[in-house]
Amino acid sequence: ETGVTQSPTHLIKTRGQQVTLRCSSQSGHNTVSWYQQALGQGPQFIFQYYREEENGRGNFPPRFSGLQFPNYSSELNVNALELDDSALYLCASSLDRAKNIQYFGAGTRLSVL
Amino acid sequence: GNSVTQMEGPVTLSEEAFLTINCTYTATGYPSLFWYVQYPGEGLQLLLKATKADDKGSNKGFEATYRKETTSFHLEKGSVQVSDSAVYFCALVNSGNTPLVFGKGTRLSVIA
Repeated sequence: ETGVTQSPTHLIKTRGQQVTLRCSSQSGHNTVSWYQQALGQGPQFIFQYYREEENGRGNFPPRFSGLQFPNYSSELNVNALELDDSALYLCASSLDRAKNIQYFGAGTRLSVL
Repeated sequence: GNSVTQMEGPVTLSEEAFLTINCTYTATGYPSLFWYVQYPGEGLQLLLKATKADDKGSNKGFEATYRKETTSFHLEKGSVQVSDSAVYFCALVNSGNTPLVFGKGTRLSVIA
């Protein structure tokens, strides 16, 4: 059974650019959640996808968008990057949207210059 | 709304010392409570959980008891090791389809 994998590990972008982060969920998991973890803070919920549909969203602007594919892997897209978008982006998968245990990947460290 | 407050760090302890990291929460309904641990350069790992009042979660020598009367879920370990050095996050999820809500994290450093 493979765990949650994220790519890339690190990324450097400049302000105004666009970025795509990828996540492969744990085998058998149909729900993926994305979190933003700023330095020294706890993770903040961005959104969740369940069976390819957005299933809840946190307090993030529309330039944060996502996709979930039929194999339940997922992408997080951020347009018009701002300096404050610099953070660790974490993906978590769970067996079902109603289940509480989420399994996290190692994250993608995004630096916006 | 739902929120989690945990003690600020960093916490520095000598090996074999007793550890307590305080966590209190605010939530409507009956949340499930979690402790996650983040080792340097890694993602979050579930350490332990409790789903109802008076439940005790335990793992790897760590324990936490769900106290509804004090809305607390303090993390304890009787004898810490250098390998326990990490950032610890208290979190909750409320009933139904809601996301995890995390505290700000507490950095623990254990010195030999």
